[in-house]
Amino acid sequence: EVQLVQSGAEVKKPGESLKISCKGSGYSFTTYWIGWVRQMPGKGLEWMGIIYPDDTDTRYSPAFQGQVTISADKSRSTAYLQWNSLKASDTAIYYCARHSFWSSYYPDYWGQGTLVTVSS
Amino acid sequence: QSVLTQPPSVSGAPGQRVTISCTGSSSNIGAGYDIHWYQQLPGTAPKLLIYGNNNRPSGVPDRFSGSKSGTSASLAITGLQPEDEADYYCQSYDISLSVLFGTGTKVTVL
Repeated sequence: EVQLVQSGAEVKKPGESLKISCKGSGYSFTTYWIGWVRQMPGKGLEWMGIIYPDDTDTRYSPAFQGQVTISADKSRSTAYLQWNSLKASDTAIYYCARHSFWSSYYPDYWGQGTLVTVSS
Repeated sequence: QSVLTQPPSVSGAPGQRVTISCTGSSSNIGAGYDIHWYQQLPGTAPKLLIYGNNNRPSGVPDRFSGSKSGTSASLAITGLQPEDEADYYCQSYDISLSVLFGTGTKVTVL
């Protein structure tokens, strides 16, 4: 059974750094792209980017390029999403998702979500 | 910026058929990229409902079906059930090299 288990909720202050994680199991972690999707409070889904754990090839949405860093450690079957300096507008639920391919990438399995709250 | 536009809400009585449209452009759906659909029940993570325009993952009831034509697509729910009350999102890919989600539709079962 494919499972993606994310790290717990975080409360941070503006300007602080943060790294959240997503551990995959039940499939070959190195042969599927894995990525992140943001959902701000009461809003829709926004695709942030993906990484291929086997060679760390990374693709970002233009909207998130330079704002976050996506990484992966294939020895731990874990993907990460990192901020260097959080803003209040980063408050959201962040989902990791395994991506399959059918003419293009699409998320097929999702983690449970990590709530990030940024407030002074 | 490319957008996949969905109606904010649709509603229907139990047993009825409802459809959700997803309108894109020549840079995404019209460029030949396929459509996928997700269901997000209140307070939970999204779940894949339809992939590759009209394919259902194992376990998804056959009352859910998808179609695509030109620069748009649609999701149909036939025989609406109370447990279908949720948010639904379409998803495709854009030539700007980005995965795109639709604006989302809230389905209400009357």
